[in-house]
Amino acid sequence: AQSVTQLGSHVSVSEGALVLLRCNYSSSVPPYLFWYVQYPNQGLQLLLKYTSAATLVKGINGFEAEFKKSETSFHLTKPSAHMSDAAEYFCAVSLPGSARQLTFGSGTQLTVLP
Amino acid sequence: GAVVSQHPSRVICKSGTSVKIECRSLDFQATTMFWYRQFPKQSLMLMATSNEGSKATYEQGVEKDKFLINHASLTLSTLTVTSAHPEDSSFYICSAREPGQGFTEAFFGQGTRLTVV
Repeated sequence: AQSVTQLGSHVSVSEGALVLLRCNYSSSVPPYLFWYVQYPNQGLQLLLKYTSAATLVKGINGFEAEFKKSETSFHLTKPSAHMSDAAEYFCAVSLPGSARQLTFGSGTQLTVLP
Repeated sequence: GAVVSQHPSRVICKSGTSVKIECRSLDFQATTMFWYRQFPKQSLMLMATSNEGSKATYEQGVEKDKFLINHASLTLSTLTVTSAHPEDSSFYICSAREPGQGFTEAFFGQGTRLTVV
């Protein structure tokens, strides 16, 4: 079975500062990994995905994540936070060729301070 | 990207009544759709996998008779919460993946906020 762990349920950064949201995964086979963003009372929007191609993945809104097999990590970063980045972020894992279910982490609430 | 439309976005119902939530893939055919439940400040918990033309596969602990799922067409899946109680109040989200043998992206509906009073 696969799982993801998000370290830090709440992260606060100042506007313009680096954003780092942590995600570690556990999987018996090389997984697919995803980061989603959720704004209040809305569904999820895909930020970026890793599907066994390049280990450094660039997504929308200036976010990127690096797949590190040795560390079983897939941390999300953005060089400079904007106020509009304040939201809930979920890391998720899926096994290739499976029923395509996504298993989500517990989420990290990002607050951007002016 | 593809669009998944979920309706209604909010619903308030009386305890003991049933509520139906619709999930539609607007510009692609989805042989598989997923239903999630999200409690406040928590993650999404998969409730069931809905397969077009067959019975849904429920996750452990999810009551099949309470959460009825129907996937009658390639673009529509419905979740019916039967005999709703206040503890069923939650945010329900559906998702659908584009068909294909390899990786395909999952698209999410905007969610339904159910309040049972």
